[in-house]
Amino acid sequence: EDQVTQSPEALRLQEGESSSLNCSYTVSGLRGLFWYRQDPGKGPEFLFTLYSAGEEKEKERLKATLTKKESFLHITAPKPEDSATYLCAVANQAGTALIFGKGTTLSVSS
Amino acid sequence: GAVVSQHPSWVICKSGTSVKIECRSLDFQATTMFWYRQFPKQSLMLMATSNEGSKATYEQGVEKDKFLINHASLTLSTLTVTSAHPEDSSFYICSASYGLAGGWSTDTQYFGPGTRLTVL
Repeated sequence: EDQVTQSPEALRLQEGESSSLNCSYTVSGLRGLFWYRQDPGKGPEFLFTLYSAGEEKEKERLKATLTKKESFLHITAPKPEDSATYLCAVANQAGTALIFGKGTTLSVSS
Repeated sequence: GAVVSQHPSWVICKSGTSVKIECRSLDFQATTMFWYRQFPKQSLMLMATSNEGSKATYEQGVEKDKFLINHASLTLSTLTVTSAHPEDSSFYICSASYGLAGGWSTDTQYFGPGTRLTVL
């Protein structure tokens, strides 16, 4: 069964304290791995799509990497506005549906 | 680019009434649209997938007669919750993926802002 596990569930950082969020996955043929940011009461905001192991993408203070078993979302020198829930999802070869993890809730304090 | 809107953003209704939620892709044609629901502190649960002009595909356990989905055009999908009950109260989110040539869609989904449904 395809599965996505995110860790930790919650992460508290001080402003400027870099860290990484983990997304482990098992999927029957990975078509793509996706990172989203979700603020309370809002829909997910697209961040990155990764397609193959070794691929990396960056956007401002965020950098996503992908291996054959997991993905990391690295946050460099976070700011309070980076506080949100970060969701990881995968698409398999069978169809278009995304399989979501439960998310990591990040809190950055100044 | 890739903006998806939803209307209304929140709705309160009485038990037994029906509620329609609209999802629009504003700046692209969406071959495929998806409907999710999300409970507090939970992740997104896919309810159904719809392609323009065809019947929606519902996930196991989702009542298709209760949650009516119409994908009438490449920019509009609607979800109607029929005879709503308090247990249908939830956050409903739609998403859309780009249409590509040949009827395929990209894998990346772009989400709307969500609709908070409260059934009294």
